[in-house]
Amino acid sequence: DAGVIQSPRHEVTEMGQEVTLRCKPISGHDYLFWYRQTMMRGLELLIYFNNNVPIDDSGMPEDRFSAKMPNASFSTLKIQPSEPRDSAVYFCASRSAGTGNTIYFGEGSWLTVV
Amino acid sequence: QKEVEQDPGPLSVPEGAIVSLNCTYSNSAFQYFMWYRQYSRKGPELLMYTYSSGNKEDGRFTAQVDKSSKYISLFIRDSQPSDSATYLCAMSAGGATNKLIFGTGTLLAVQP
Repeated sequence: DAGVIQSPRHEVTEMGQEVTLRCKPISGHDYLFWYRQTMMRGLELLIYFNNNVPIDDSGMPEDRFSAKMPNASFSTLKIQPSEPRDSAVYFCASRSAGTGNTIYFGEGSWLTVV
Repeated sequence: QKEVEQDPGPLSVPEGAIVSLNCTYSNSAFQYFMWYRQYSRKGPELLMYTYSSGNKEDGRFTAQVDKSSKYISLFIRDSQPSDSATYLCAMSAGGATNKLIFGTGTLLAVQP
């Protein structure tokens, strides 16, 4: 399997612009997670889906952030409008009931907002 | 207070040294404990997984959980330069939600 695939790997954008991050989970996995990683706060869970349904979005920092999962093989995380403090690495991860508590991460999307 | 506390380091050791990495936590409901390794500019990957208290060994790596003290450790024996990475502890209460809570990570450098 190709693993969790994220795009873009790197993005530099100007403040106020819309940013869309994309994720393809591992085939057959029914949980999908979006994490944000910064030096100060480490890995923070933003939102997770089960069978394409958002289960817990309590980690989404504010209304500028939104996430969707229209089908089992695709999810997006959107930031609109973006701000410099959104600069971070955004990771998508997935798991299935068969993997227990083990989640598998993508390689991340490195976002810089200037 | 954060649910999971981890010393960010950095920790620098000579090749062959024994490394000890630690995390403390406050939520007594946590019963699944993991260590992830993250190389520079990569995503975290699972290194060790333990359930409840006790020890687990895998090659040069040993994970220990002390639930009474709310303290977990990862030991690396005969450390190698290839072990240089950030090590993140993670834990979960399990159940339907099964949210993983991560520590901030400890940066380890093993000097040849």
